[in-house]
Amino acid sequence: GQSLEQPSEVTAVEGAIVQINCTYQTSGFYGLSWYQQHDGGAPTFLSYNALDGLEETGRFSSFLSRSDSYGYLLLQELQMKDSASYFCAVEKAAGNKLTFGGGTRVLVKP
Amino acid sequence: DVKVTQSSRYLVKRTGEKVFLECVQDMDHENMFWYRQDPGLGLRLIYFSYDVKMKEKGDIPEGYSVSREKKERFSLILESASTNQTSMYLCASSSPGGGGEKLFFGSGTQLSVL
Repeated sequence: GQSLEQPSEVTAVEGAIVQINCTYQTSGFYGLSWYQQHDGGAPTFLSYNALDGLEETGRFSSFLSRSDSYGYLLLQELQMKDSASYFCAVEKAAGNKLTFGGGTRVLVKP
Repeated sequence: DVKVTQSSRYLVKRTGEKVFLECVQDMDHENMFWYRQDPGLGLRLIYFSYDVKMKEKGDIPEGYSVSREKKERFSLILESASTNQTSMYLCASSSPGGGGEKLFFGSGTQLSVL
């Protein structure tokens, strides 16, 4: 079968750093995406990795290791507005047909 | 900005009813998708379409069908609604490319089947 594993919940304080890990086991792999979803809102795209290494976008960075079938999303300088659910998603072949993980709920406390 | 609009935010239906969920996007995207979202299970792909009149099954198509008569509109149909189809339904669209293109999601339809 195919699966994506990520922690269900993470709690941290403002200003801290949070790393959300995602391990995947899929029948094909083209790239790994991350999406953010606030309660009651639509998922929104954060980042995409097709090659090994780190992609940085402001306070958020995403990492991929294809050989380890592993990636992570790093949230730095946490802010209250970062409280949301974060989903990793595997693109098994070019074409955006994504398989999503179960999501990690991040709670940022003052 | 891309806008993906789903016709209803909340919907309550009876078991056995035929249900239509509508989705419209305004960015001329070729690709459109229907996902359902359940707690702890993430988003699961029901059906997708890469072109008008074209449809392909996703991971959980049983009990659903779709229609894409126009490029901007992608409809999800529950032929005979059942209680296990109570869920949040999310529509998404994207432009075609070599991979990694963003999916743009609608705000979702929370469907309750009683």
